[in-house]
Amino acid sequence: NAGVTQTPKFQVLKTGQSMTLQCAQDMNHNSMYWYRQDPGMGLRLIYYSASEGTTDKGEVPNGYNVSRLNKREFSLRLESAAPSQTSVYFCASKPGTVSLVGPLHFGNGTRLTVT
Amino acid sequence: EDKVVQSPLSLVVHEGDTVTLNCSYEVTNFRSLLWYKQEKKAPTFLFMLTSSGIEKKSGRLSSILDKKELFSILNITATQTGDSAVYLCAVEAYVLSGGGADGLTFGKGTHLIIQP
Repeated sequence: NAGVTQTPKFQVLKTGQSMTLQCAQDMNHNSMYWYRQDPGMGLRLIYYSASEGTTDKGEVPNGYNVSRLNKREFSLRLESAAPSQTSVYFCASKPGTVSLVGPLHFGNGTRLTVT
Repeated sequence: EDKVVQSPLSLVVHEGDTVTLNCSYEVTNFRSLLWYKQEKKAPTFLFMLTSSGIEKKSGRLSSILDKKELFSILNITATQTGDSAVYLCAVEAYVLSGGGADGLTFGKGTHLIIQP
């Protein structure tokens, strides 16, 4: 059982380049999330998707776009990368209904460096 | 704005010691508080707490929530070098309109180092 799978594991971009981070989960979860983790800042929510077909902004959405392609996949796109987007990006999922409380399951992260 | 504060931010102890990690929070429409352990990669889930005063326990780790005073503690007894990690506290709130949770608000973590 793979859980939450993120690709790529590492990426180096030049300022202004674009890229898409991929995330897929095989747990039949409704809700999916993208976080970034920076030293001394903890994990901050970029975007989330409470169900297939819906997406919402989190705490730090500027410079990012997302697509909930289907129930399994939730991608994060950087249209024009900036050095401030150097970070470790985590995708996560959970069953996520109003009545069902449960923990987030995280992928192993993508370490992105923008030069 | 939801807020989660962890203390201490870092802690160095010797193997065999007992440690207590703290997490205080301010959140509208509290739903649950969660503890995660993060070593090199992804955070791994430890506990989820929704009710005050009920201790959750797993081996040498235990946690309790106080919803009146808005804090939680994570205890680790007889620490081992494998307990060295960043421990993250997170709080989940209900989203009243539209249904579904809007993600967790994380604290900055406590970096715990266990020396042999």
